[in-house]
Amino acid sequence: IAGITQAPTSQILAAGRRMTLRCTQDMRHNAMYWYRQDLGLGLRLIHYSNTAGTTGKGEVPDGYSVSRANTDDFPLTLASAVPSQTSVYFCASSDSSSGTDEQFFGPGTRLTVL
Amino acid sequence: GQNIDQPTEMTATEGAIVQINCTYQTSGFNGLFWYQQHAGEAPTFLSYNVLDGLEEKGRFSSFLSRSKGYSYLLLKELQMKDSASYLCAVMDSNYQLIWGAGTKLIIKP
Repeated sequence: IAGITQAPTSQILAAGRRMTLRCTQDMRHNAMYWYRQDLGLGLRLIHYSNTAGTTGKGEVPDGYSVSRANTDDFPLTLASAVPSQTSVYFCASSDSSSGTDEQFFGPGTRLTVL
Repeated sequence: GQNIDQPTEMTATEGAIVQINCTYQTSGFNGLFWYQQHAGEAPTFLSYNVLDGLEEKGRFSSFLSRSKGYSYLLLKELQMKDSASYLCAVMDSNYQLIWGAGTKLIIKP
């Protein structure tokens, strides 16, 4: 693994189903983030984690949950998917000790909820 | 509320120069970022400004005026591969990034 990986690449999901998007990084970054990106809107923060064992809510957390059991993994779960959660989901990580807090992004998961 | 404004779309000619503007109103300021995003791909980091002035990095430069809540990204010697969306983002007082909707840059030969 080099950088950040996300799985699956894309998914079509029936409304009401549970879904977990996976995110793994091998850069030993302490901070990780989940964003959604919708046409015409900027990236919107769903949840974040400043360090393993802690998580926080972003701008649009409703309907989503996260966990951070270790440094490398930061899964995002949709407990009961709804069509408004159709979006492209990006996971990102950053090293807050770097000074710039540059975020590195995974390739994204394209999710369609029908 | 917090707000980042940038033009939706711009068109420029290969070999020319283009300036993409970004204005912001945020609760606190801990730096401004520019990212490039090609269609269907992830954003990638271009530049970071925390102090007023111009930061130059090859063909790309980024300018910041904190008093005016204003930044621009300057792209010189445009190449076809520069066709992408350019995202402006500000780190607020909670050290979270607030993102603009992005400027789609179309390069014509």
